[in-house]
Amino acid sequence: AQSVTQLDSHVSVSEGTPVLLRCNYSSSYSPSLFWYVQHPNKGLQLLLKYTSAATLVKGINGFEAEFKKSETSFHLTKPSAHMSDAAEYFCVVTRTGGFKTIFGAGTRLFVKA
Amino acid sequence: DVKVTQSSRYLVKRTGEKVFLECVQDMDHENMFWYRQDPGLGLRLIYFSYDVKMKEKGDIPEGYSVSREKKERFSLILESASTNQTSMYLCASSLGTGDNQPQHFGDGTRLSIL
Repeated sequence: AQSVTQLDSHVSVSEGTPVLLRCNYSSSYSPSLFWYVQHPNKGLQLLLKYTSAATLVKGINGFEAEFKKSETSFHLTKPSAHMSDAAEYFCVVTRTGGFKTIFGAGTRLFVKA
Repeated sequence: DVKVTQSSRYLVKRTGEKVFLECVQDMDHENMFWYRQDPGLGLRLIYFSYDVKMKEKGDIPEGYSVSREKKERFSLILESASTNQTSMYLCASSLGTGDNQPQHFGDGTRLSIL
């Protein structure tokens, strides 16, 4: 069975400092993993996806994530936070067959000026 | 870019009414999904469809039904709306059946049942 755990419900950083949003997963086979971002009153937008081609995945808006099989982690990072990064972020794993998708509970990112 | 359009951003209905939420995608995607999103509960899958006229129950289908008469359109129906169905509803679509296909989301419908 697959599951995903986002380790922090809230993260607060100052503008210009690095961002780290943590995600651990559990999967009985090689998973597909995604990060999405949701701005207020909007739908979810895909940031990046891991599909076994490369362990370091680059996404949009300067975000990237590293797949670490030994640690069953897929943490999202960005070198320098911008005010516009303030949003909720979801780590996602797909179930067998790809139809059903398991969402993490979300991490709300606050960016201070 | 994939565009998923939900017909209403905000909707207010009364208990007992039959409510229709409409979703249209413009990229010929096979799969379409309906979720509800509630504070503290995250996203929960209500129903999904992998082809025209095909549907599968998700994790919380009770009180809901769906219709997919055309490939681009997926409707969520609240048969008799109740106050506990007040929520944000998100529609999504994805291409094919591979695990690595991301879902593309609409902007959501915030539904209030009075």
